[in-house]
Amino acid sequence: SYELTQPPSVSVSPGQTASITCSGDTLGDEYASWYQQKPGQSPMLVIYQDTKRPSGIPERFSGSNSGNTATLTISGTQAMDEADYYCQAWDSSTVVFGGGTKLTVL
Amino acid sequence: EVQLVESGGGLIQPGGSLRLSCAASGFTVSSTYISWVRQAPGKGLEWVSLTYSGRSTSYADSVKGRFTISRDDSKNTLFLQMNSLRVEDTAVYYCARVQAYGGNSYGFEIWGQGTMVTVSS
Repeated sequence: SYELTQPPSVSVSPGQTASITCSGDTLGDEYASWYQQKPGQSPMLVIYQDTKRPSGIPERFSGSNSGNTATLTISGTQAMDEADYYCQAWDSSTVVFGGGTKLTVL
Repeated sequence: EVQLVESGGGLIQPGGSLRLSCAASGFTVSSTYISWVRQAPGKGLEWVSLTYSGRSTSYADSVKGRFTISRDDSKNTLFLQMNSLRVEDTAVYYCARVQAYGGNSYGFEIWGQGTMVTVSS
């Protein structure tokens, strides 16, 4: 079965750029989405179709996807961005989520 | 307002059955892709099932043959019938509306608040 691999944790200082990767076999041939989940809350879509932001998502969130790796980039990271982030892709008619990355803003 | 509200969770013994409901408002479930996703305590997201394109369905291997996704269009409600429950099925179960953006591009854009299922003796 298809698998997406994320680093368990990423740390960033406030105001700096955070990058969270998601690796999967030929992932660049598929569309990747990203979700943010804060403690006690439901997940929220922050990036879809590799690079697009839903309405209401700040411009500091961006995405890319090429080769075997999709990347979520948060520019000028703020304390409110501290959360778990999950990548997601489709494999035939099934859905795959990455294992999640805990972003810590130090 | 577009909203999803799950219900039906609870404590159930291994081998038992439970039916979850997801009431939709602000859109019609029959006209969209809609899915169940679960999250075990302290763990990541795990996709469970999806209904799309009329009555087509798909399932994760971990639940195939035990869970059934369905919907009642008259009630605008999605269901998840869970049979032969196992301890490892313990999780918060979310329903989510899936938006199709064209091509093979989809995103889980609307999520419910989740309902907790605990499988334990």
